[in-house]
Amino acid sequence: DVKVTQSSRYLVKRTGEKVFLECVQDMDHENMFWYRQDPGLGLRLIYFSYDVKMKEKGDIPEGYSVSREKKERFSLILESASTNQTSMYLCASRGPTGQGNTEAFFGQGTRLTVV
Amino acid sequence: QKEVEQDPGPLSVPEGAIVSLNCTYSNSAFQYFMWYRQYSRKGPELLMYTYSSGNKEDGRFTAQVDKSSKYISLFIRDSQPSDSATYLCARGGGNEKLTFGTGTRLTIIP
Repeated sequence: DVKVTQSSRYLVKRTGEKVFLECVQDMDHENMFWYRQDPGLGLRLIYFSYDVKMKEKGDIPEGYSVSREKKERFSLILESASTNQTSMYLCASRGPTGQGNTEAFFGQGTRLTVV
Repeated sequence: QKEVEQDPGPLSVPEGAIVSLNCTYSNSAFQYFMWYRQYSRKGPELLMYTYSSGNKEDGRFTAQVDKSSKYISLFIRDSQPSDSATYLCARGGGNEKLTFGTGTRLTIIP
């Protein structure tokens, strides 16, 4: 059974803290994605990675960075958390280029609250 | 301009009705289109995908892409209460970034 695991289901952090959200997949997928999901705004792409140490900005990268040191792990970093980063964060992974892979597998989400 | 635009609803229909969910997309070069379904407090799961244009059917679900109008549709026949969820259209395959519409919350009323 395919699996994308996010390190925390719920997280509460203080304004200004550095926050790490971890995502691990066991499907040997090249592509990994980080989204945030907000009511009325849907899923918005923050960053994605198509290979180890490679990263591309999504639609809303400001205030975030990412790290992909190993193929199975993709980390999202909030350098200095702010209240407007309170959201549901979803990680996803997908198979490699050239096979027309369309199915992305999602983690269960991390509900982050910044106070 | 957003890559994929979707009416957020909400949409409520009686059980057994045909449901039509729609999206538009911005770039005629897009080839891969998907529909994801998301139940409350869960991550999205792939429901259907289509490549280029035309129809694809899977049981009670039909996905349709009209490239001339840049329109993506999902039809649900004989809708069931278990179909109540948020439906998200998306584009992007292989090594492309995967971007979503805002999602439409659907409720099937028994």
